[in-house]
This record gives sequence, C-alpha cells and structure tokens, in this order.
Amino acid sequence: EDQVTQSPEALRLQEGESSSLNCSYTVSGLRGLFWYRQDPGKGPEFLFTLYSAGEEKEKERLKATLTKKESFLHITAPKPEDSATYLCALSNAGNNRKLIWGLGTSLAVNP
Amino acid sequence: NAGVTQTPKFQVLKTGQSMTLQCAQDMNHEYMSWYRQDPGMGLRLIHYSVGAGITDQGEVPNGYNVSRSTTEDFPLRLLSAAPSQTSVYFCASSYTGRSYTFGSGTRLTVV
Repeated sequence: EDQVTQSPEALRLQEGESSSLNCSYTVSGLRGLFWYRQDPGKGPEFLFTLYSAGEEKEKERLKATLTKKESFLHITAPKPEDSATYLCALSNAGNNRKLIWGLGTSLAVNP
Repeated sequence: NAGVTQTPKFQVLKTGQSMTLQCAQDMNHEYMSWYRQDPGMGLRLIHYSVGAGITDQGEVPNGYNVSRSTTEDFPLRLLSAAPSQTSVYFCASSYTGRSYTFGSGTRLTVV
C-alpha cells in the first residue's frame, strides 16, 4: 500500500536555527512528490514538486531533496514567518491524479 | 484575483439538512478536487474531476455528491448532513493534475 509518513509531528526552532523535516514514503511507482505549506485557517500552498531521486529544488530559505525512500525539506536560518504546517504528498503510477498525503509537520519558529 | 474561490467560509447545519458548498476557479484548470481535513486524519479526497462532465470518487465519497457542468465550477453537495461530516472542506484545482491550487476552505459544523 502506498504511504506517506512525516516526521517529526511538531518542531520548535529558534530564529536562525536550521533544521530538516522528513517525508518517508512507500510507493509502487513514484510520479511526483510534492511539498505544501499550510498556514492556520488557510488552504495548503504549493511549494515544490520533485520527480526523481537526486533532484533538488530551492525557494528562499527552503530546499527540498528526494531519495528513493524519503524527501527532506531543509530550512536554513528560519524566520518566524516560516511558522506553518508543512505537508508532503505523492502521486503514484496507478492513478497519478489522486494525491496521497502525509499528516504534516507543524513548525514553530520563535523570535 | 486568479485562484480558487470557496463559499461559504463558515456554515452550521442541523443533522439531516442538505447544502451545497460552492467552488469556482478562473485559471481554466481541468483538474478539480474536494478534500476534507480533520485533526489526526490529514487531507482525505472526497471526489475529483478531470474535466467538465467527468467526476469520480475519492477515498471518502459517502454522503457527498458532485457535478462538473462547466470547467470553472465544481460544487459539493451534502445530501443529509451528519455530525461525522463536521470538518474543514477544501476545493483544489490543477492544470496538470499534480500541483494543486487550494481554496481557503469552508469550516462546516453539523449539530
């Protein structure tokens, strides 16, 4: 069964303290792995798509990487405005229009 | 502003009542989906559509109906509301069927 597991469930950082969020997955055939950010009371906001192992994408203080078993979202020198829940999702070869979602990591960055 | 518009933002229903959650997008996206988000359960797909006139069930379709008569609109109908349908509902659309743009959500309470 295709599955996405995110860790940790919650993470509290001091401003400027870099860290990584993990998304481990099992899938019959990966078509794409996606990272989203969700602020309280809002819908998820798309961040990155990764398609193959070794691929990396960057946006401001965020960098997403992908291996054959997991993806990391690296946050470098975070700021309080990076506080949000970060969601990981994937699409598989069977039905690549239906995403499989993780439960997310709730990140709090203290000033 | 281009994007996905959901109405209403908040709704309280009595058990047994029916209602329609509205969703409209102005990006000419073919793919549209409805999700519900519950604490500890993550995002769960209710119904989705790959184009006007085409809909299919997601993982939790019972108690909900959808139709897609135009590219822009994808309403979600609750047939007879139950307390178990208390949730936050998100509509999302996509050009590719992979990276989705989400609406801001409808918070539904069934009493």
